[in-house]
Amino acid sequence: EVQLVESGGGLVKPGGSLRLSCAASGFTFSSYSMNWVRQAPGKGLEWVSSISSSSSYIYYADSVKGRFTISRDNAKNSLYLQMNSLRAEDTAVYYCANGGNFDYWGQGTLVTVSS
Amino acid sequence: DVVMTQSPLSLPVTLGQPASISCRSSQSLVYSDGNTYLNWFQQRPGQSPRRLIYKVSNRDSGVPDRFSGSGSGTDFTLKISRVEAEDVGVYYCMQGTHWPPFTFGPGTKVDIK
Repeated sequence: EVQLVESGGGLVKPGGSLRLSCAASGFTFSSYSMNWVRQAPGKGLEWVSSISSSSSYIYYADSVKGRFTISRDNAKNSLYLQMNSLRAEDTAVYYCANGGNFDYWGQGTLVTVSS
Repeated sequence: DVVMTQSPLSLPVTLGQPASISCRSSQSLVYSDGNTYLNWFQQRPGQSPRRLIYKVSNRDSGVPDRFSGSGSGTDFTLKISRVEAEDVGVYYCMQGTHWPPFTFGPGTKVDIK
């Protein structure tokens, strides 16, 4: 059974940093691209970032480029999102999802940016 | 960027009756490999999204056969043949042909009349 478990969310002040993690199991993690998608409270889904299976290709939404960094550790079956210079508009539930077609999603972790 | 639109944005339905959601893209979603990367996701209240349909019409494992996807080019449809109570939630289409960025539709909220 595929499982994706996000962690690392919380309350942070504007300008602060957080590092999200996504622990994967139930599939060959090193063979799949991985993605982060976020959902602001009461809003729709917004793609944030993607990373290829070997980390060779990395992409970001314009809204987070230069502030967020996606990475992965295939030995640990884990995906990460380092978020710096956080803004109020980054407040959202952050989901990880596997594959280019977003096959499976985790339960999400809430990031709240507020003073 | 490819813009995805959905209609209606709100869809009250009667249990046992059919429902249909339209999704349109601002440009053709046919990729150079011949595939069309248009997916549908369901998000039940309080839950994370779940993929229902991939590449226009392929139903995911465990998805009831009352769900079906169709369409081509820029026009796509998700149909529920007979709505059940567990189908309440928000449905999103998403394109994976012209990325980055991957883009989602605004969502269609399905509830029971």
